[in-house]
Amino acid sequence: DSGVTQTPKHLITATGQRVTLRCSPRSGDLSVYWYQQSLDQGLQFLIHYYNGEERAKGNILERFSAQQFPDLHSELNLSSLELGDSALYFCASSVGGGPDISGYTFGSGTRLTVV
Amino acid sequence: GQNIDQPTEMTATEGAIVQINCTYQTSGFNGLFWYQQHAGEAPTFLSYNVLDGLEEKGRFSSFLSRSKGYSYLLLKELQMKDSASYLCAVRGDNYGQNFVFGPGTRLSVLP
Repeated sequence: DSGVTQTPKHLITATGQRVTLRCSPRSGDLSVYWYQQSLDQGLQFLIHYYNGEERAKGNILERFSAQQFPDLHSELNLSSLELGDSALYFCASSVGGGPDISGYTFGSGTRLTVV
Repeated sequence: GQNIDQPTEMTATEGAIVQINCTYQTSGFNGLFWYQQHAGEAPTFLSYNVLDGLEEKGRFSSFLSRSKGYSYLLLKELQMKDSASYLCAVRGDNYGQNFVFGPGTRLSVLP
């Protein structure tokens, strides 16, 4: 157990629907990062929050949004889902505003399947 | 821009040694990380290099040459459980804003 908790582990939904993925960072970590990993693809950075504020955006679609709450958990909202959104979505956390000397700590991921 | 290259796939035999290379071009440099990722699982941290040279950790070692924009991960005494993807990641300028993962190298260890 890495200490980063992601729910749900699996999600199957239909095209056009909206889903919310949840992440609780490791205790003491202020940063949360979201990544998308499609089949046989690398990790694509989506967005970074630090202590409740958005710090950086990667290649995140306009249909996707995220937020970090006062208790530091984060939610990634995916709407108007398309088949191509099927992927593993990872959340990672770190103490500061970037990777420390052990990088990021990743959660076990949410596998989203859009049918 | 930022670019990280790794071989897509490699195959090696149980008990052997394998070297996985990573070349990078990034805006600034503040460290290079290696992660291991088994299929469908989360990446797990293996090593961190910020200065030139070799860092050894048991069966795994990582090397960095900043002047060449080059790193490698060396895996010794390969075991079947080492079959996984190995991701190189570089921390560039602005720390969190520039932490870029390479495409990963899928290693298959054969008996």
